[in-house]
Amino acid sequence: AQSVTQLDSQVPVFEEAPVELRCNYSSSVSVYLFWYVQYPNQGLQLLLKYLSGSTLVKGINGFEAEFNKSQTSFHLRKPSVHISDTAEYFCAVSVSGGYQKVTFGTGTKLQVIP
Amino acid sequence: EPEVTQTPSHQVTQMGQEVILRCVPISNHLYFYWYRQILGQKVEFLVSFYNNEISEKSEIFDDQFSVERPDGSNFTLKIRSTKLEDSAMYFCASSGGGRQETQYFGPGTRLLVL
Repeated sequence: AQSVTQLDSQVPVFEEAPVELRCNYSSSVSVYLFWYVQYPNQGLQLLLKYLSGSTLVKGINGFEAEFNKSQTSFHLRKPSVHISDTAEYFCAVSVSGGYQKVTFGTGTKLQVIP
Repeated sequence: EPEVTQTPSHQVTQMGQEVILRCVPISNHLYFYWYRQILGQKVEFLVSFYNNEISEKSEIFDDQFSVERPDGSNFTLKIRSTKLEDSAMYFCASSGGGRQETQYFGPGTRLLVL
């Protein structure tokens, strides 16, 4: 079975500062990795995904993440955050091959301070 | 851009009542899923559905739950006799079916059982 650990439940950061949201996963088989964002009272929006190939993936809204197989990590980064980035961010994993269930982490609430 | 839609956005029901949550997946997708998120907790997989049958279900998806694709566009989740602990946000998702397909989530239905 796969699992995802997001160690930081909340991350406060000042506007225009960089941010890193940490994600580690566990799996005995190859996986796909995702970051989803949930704005207050809204659904889940795909931010970015790693399926194969380049380990550095770029997503929407200036976010990027790097897949590190040896450290089983998929940390999310943004060089300069905006107030509008305030949301909850979920790291997620599925077994590679498509149409498999997605296993989510517990989420990290990013609070951008003006 | 095509998107997954869900109705209703909010539903309040009495314990023991039946509820049906509706979803319209992206039109050319073949795989359908339901997830739920209890307030303050992580998103959990309930069930996946393909070719008119359940392909995988979690331990949460007991006999009180059922899914159906009654026509070519809708995908429903029925809870036969709701319990207080069924109060949650329910997300529908769909994916196209290729080996690298990503699941796209709807905005969710917030269910409150009183």
